[in-house]
Amino acid sequence: GAVVSQHPSRVICKSGTSVKIECRSLDFQATTMFWYRQFPKQSLMLMATSNEGSKATYEQGVEKDKFLINHASLTLSTLTVTSAHPEDSSFYICSAAPEGRVLQMTQYFGPGTRLLVL
Amino acid sequence: GDSVTQMEGPVTLSEEAFLTINCTYTATGYPSLFWYVQYPGEGLQLLLKATKADDKGSNKGFEATYRKETTSFHLEKGSVQVSDSAVYFCALSDRRYALNFGKGTSLLVTP
Repeated sequence: GAVVSQHPSRVICKSGTSVKIECRSLDFQATTMFWYRQFPKQSLMLMATSNEGSKATYEQGVEKDKFLINHASLTLSTLTVTSAHPEDSSFYICSAAPEGRVLQMTQYFGPGTRLLVL
Repeated sequence: GDSVTQMEGPVTLSEEAFLTINCTYTATGYPSLFWYVQYPGEGLQLLLKATKADDKGSNKGFEATYRKETTSFHLEKGSVQVSDSAVYFCALSDRRYALNFGKGTSLLVTP
């Protein structure tokens, strides 16, 4: 089946530093990737939608200058949390929609990245 | 805006018991509805989906029927197994094909 990986699986960083999270589709090409954020005991909240080769579309309330998304290829999207602060600590999850199957609403999820900002 | 409400957990059941996890939604238009499952240490996996009213999604013994009149998409399984222990998320898709999730319901099945 389709596999999506995320790296790193967990990261601890100091306040003020930047952290990059990678999302890769391993055996398919993804035209569209989504980034979600999950707080403890809460649902996944969509942060942004990224399409290969174009700028990401951010949800209302998500700072695009803080959460930089790059979808440079059909198999890789990156989320960079710039100048991270403790309130950015969360579980970040990506999903990827296979090329040509977005309309079928098929998405495959990565295992998530746990970010802890000290 | 669109939203999904699902029953709070955790739910604890004995093996072979009947499972129901309630899910209701609010949406403009006619969304597609999904159930995702997250096993410990793994990513979300699509369990089943329904794209229009009265559709029934089914997979691995789980079923859910898209009820437009009650805006519901309850998940059911006739006989749960220990291996079904996981967190279950109800979700709907919006016009942009992104997913709008409920808070998740943790299920623990004991032998």
